[in-house]
Amino acid sequence: GENVEQHPSTLSVQEGDSAVIKCTYSDSASNYFPWYKQELGKGPQLIIDIRSNVGEKKDQRIAVTLNKTAKHFSLHITETQPEDSAVYFCAAISGTASKLTFGTGTRLQVTL
Amino acid sequence: SAVISQKPSRDICQRGTSLTIQCQVDSQVTMMFWYRQQPGQSLTLIATANQGSEATYESGFVIDKFPISRPNLTFSTLTVSNMSPEDSSIYLCSVSEGRDSQPQHFGDGTRLSIL
Repeated sequence: GENVEQHPSTLSVQEGDSAVIKCTYSDSASNYFPWYKQELGKGPQLIIDIRSNVGEKKDQRIAVTLNKTAKHFSLHITETQPEDSAVYFCAAISGTASKLTFGTGTRLQVTL
Repeated sequence: SAVISQKPSRDICQRGTSLTIQCQVDSQVTMMFWYRQQPGQSLTLIATANQGSEATYESGFVIDKFPISRPNLTFSTLTVSNMSPEDSSIYLCSVSEGRDSQPQHFGDGTRLSIL
């Protein structure tokens, strides 16, 4: 089955700096890659996603890049703000299984 | 996206008892899923709730321990049976409006502690 690895497990950046979280996946049939933000006491919130026919997608301060050959995808947050502090999860879906497999999560801390 | 409500939001239960968690969606959805998130960990899929038929369970999860119902396109329940402290987790419902499970949106979860 699919295996998703995520790095780093914790990330501390100063307000205004950029943050990058990286994930790799194992199943070459995977074709959909969402990113979730989970704040304390809340469920995961979908913040951006990308499909395998696209190399990059941007939504304001958030962007995701996908390298199908290397089987890795990354989340980029620019101009970080304290409210960006949360746990971020990457995930992958294999078209054959339709099952969402999550990475291990990254705790992002944005300091003033 | 659909608004997902889970009840209860949290509970503290005695070992050996069972608890049923409800997931209500404000619109009809094709797919509904139940996940477990152990303290400080990632999310693990328990099962896919199928309308009008038995749920599809992932490896390591069985119907006797986690019976699931889905009577219609907007509602599902997950029961955690014969609970032990190891069942202390957050249980999350997610939904997808498409048949390909994309995208999935989550409720805020049920925080369950077993004494």
